[in-house]
Amino acid sequence: NAGVMQNPRHLVRRRGQEARLRCSPMKGHSHVYWYRQLPEEGLKFMVYLQKENIIDESGMPKERFSAEFPKEGPSILRIQQVVRGDSAAYFCASSSGASETYEQYFGPGTRLTVT
Amino acid sequence: GNSVTQMEGPVTLSEEAFLTINCTYTATGYPSLFWYVQYPGEGLQLLLKATKADDKGSNKGFEATYRKETTSFHLEKGSVQVSDSAVYFCALSGGNTGGFKTIFGAGTRLFVKA
Repeated sequence: NAGVMQNPRHLVRRRGQEARLRCSPMKGHSHVYWYRQLPEEGLKFMVYLQKENIIDESGMPKERFSAEFPKEGPSILRIQQVVRGDSAAYFCASSSGASETYEQYFGPGTRLTVT
Repeated sequence: GNSVTQMEGPVTLSEEAFLTINCTYTATGYPSLFWYVQYPGEGLQLLLKATKADDKGSNKGFEATYRKETTSFHLEKGSVQVSDSAVYFCALSGGNTGGFKTIFGAGTRLFVKA
């Protein structure tokens, strides 16, 4: 059973470009979470999605960031007009249920570098 | 809001030493508590969890007890190995206001010397 998959693993963008990060949850999981990890810091929650619905986006910056989890295909985290401060590791996690007792399984992350 | 505070690193130990990494939390209600481990260049792996007061989570020689009276969830291991070198994150989820997102501490980097 494949784990959570994220691609690309490394992404380099110039300031002003768009970054698209993809996350395929574990088989059978319909709950996806995105987190951002700045260098030497813990993970910060960004958004929680179920298929075709955004459930909690309280951690998402108000501008330039968006997320989706369509009926078919991976979840996408999109960052428009990237700036140097967006450089970070972005982790996706998935779970099989909505309760806090359900374990979240993490992907290997996408390391975004903005030059 | 909910928060997690864990001891700052790095922590450097010799092989077979005893490990304690302190973690305290702030939350209303009864959140679930977790320890995650991150090896270099990898994502997080769940190490252990506890979902109610006085529960003890354990895995691979690591253990932590959910102490509601002291709002703590300290990680311990009796004899560390070089392969335990990693960053350890304490985290919580749920409680009265937490919802489904996981709140992480800043992480504690552990170095184990042979």
